[in-house]
Amino acid sequence: QVQLQQWGAGLLKPSETLSLICGVYGGSFSVHSWTWIRQPPGKGLEWIGEINPSGSAIYNPSLKSRVTISVDTSKSQFSLKLNSVTAADTALYYCAGGFRVAEFDYWGQGTLVTVSS
Amino acid sequence: QSVLTQPPSVSAAPGQKVTISCSGSSSDIGNNYVSWYQQLPGTAPKLLIYENNKRPSGIPDRFSGSKSGTSATLGITGLQTGDEADYYCGTWDSSLNAGVFGGGTKLTVL
Repeated sequence: QVQLQQWGAGLLKPSETLSLICGVYGGSFSVHSWTWIRQPPGKGLEWIGEINPSGSAIYNPSLKSRVTISVDTSKSQFSLKLNSVTAADTALYYCAGGFRVAEFDYWGQGTLVTVSS
Repeated sequence: QSVLTQPPSVSAAPGQKVTISCSGSSSDIGNNYVSWYQQLPGTAPKLLIYENNKRPSGIPDRFSGSKSGTSATLGITGLQTGDEADYYCGTWDSSLNAGVFGGGTKLTVL
C-alpha cells in the first residue's frame, strides 16, 4: 500500500520561496505520476502541477512562471518549489499520486503554508 | 472560479439517496475521465470514483458515478451521518493542459 508523507516550512514571508517534499513509501515510485494540489482556507482544490513517470512536468498555467516540481527517484521523493509567494498562496498543500491522468489514488496528510509579513 | 460547476450544498435524511452534479465542457468532462473525492472534515481528500464509474478497493457500492456528455454525477445511497463531507469532482482539461476540479459540494445528512 502506497503512503505519502510530506514536510516543509509552514510560515513564509512575502517574496520567499515555498519548498515542500513528499516521500513515497511502499509501491513502485517510478510507475506513478506525482502531483501537488492546494486548498486555500475554506475553499476548493486547485491543481498545481504534476510530474509523470518519464520525468516531464506540467504546470497550472496560472502558476507556471513560479512553480517547479522535481523528483529524486533514489529517495522516492518528489518536491514542490513555488517562488515569490504572496498572501494569496496561503493554503493547505497536498501531495498526491496515481496511475491515471488527473486521478489521485494516494494523498499526503497536507501541509498548511501561511504567507505573512 | 472553478472550471467545473458543482452545487455548493446538498442535504438528505439518513437512509435516503442523494446525487451531486458536476458540469463542464467538451475540453474537460466531455473528453476525459471524471473522478470524485470525499473530504471529511480536517482530512485529506479520498478517491471515491475513478474513470467515471469505477470504485477503488474498499469503497462501498453505496457510492456510484456516471457521466453523460459534459456532465457527471455522483450518487450516494443509504446515507449515513458519516457521509457528511465535502465532495469534489475532477478531470483533465485538454485546452488548459491541466487538472481541474469542481468547487466542491457540502453534503449534510439531516
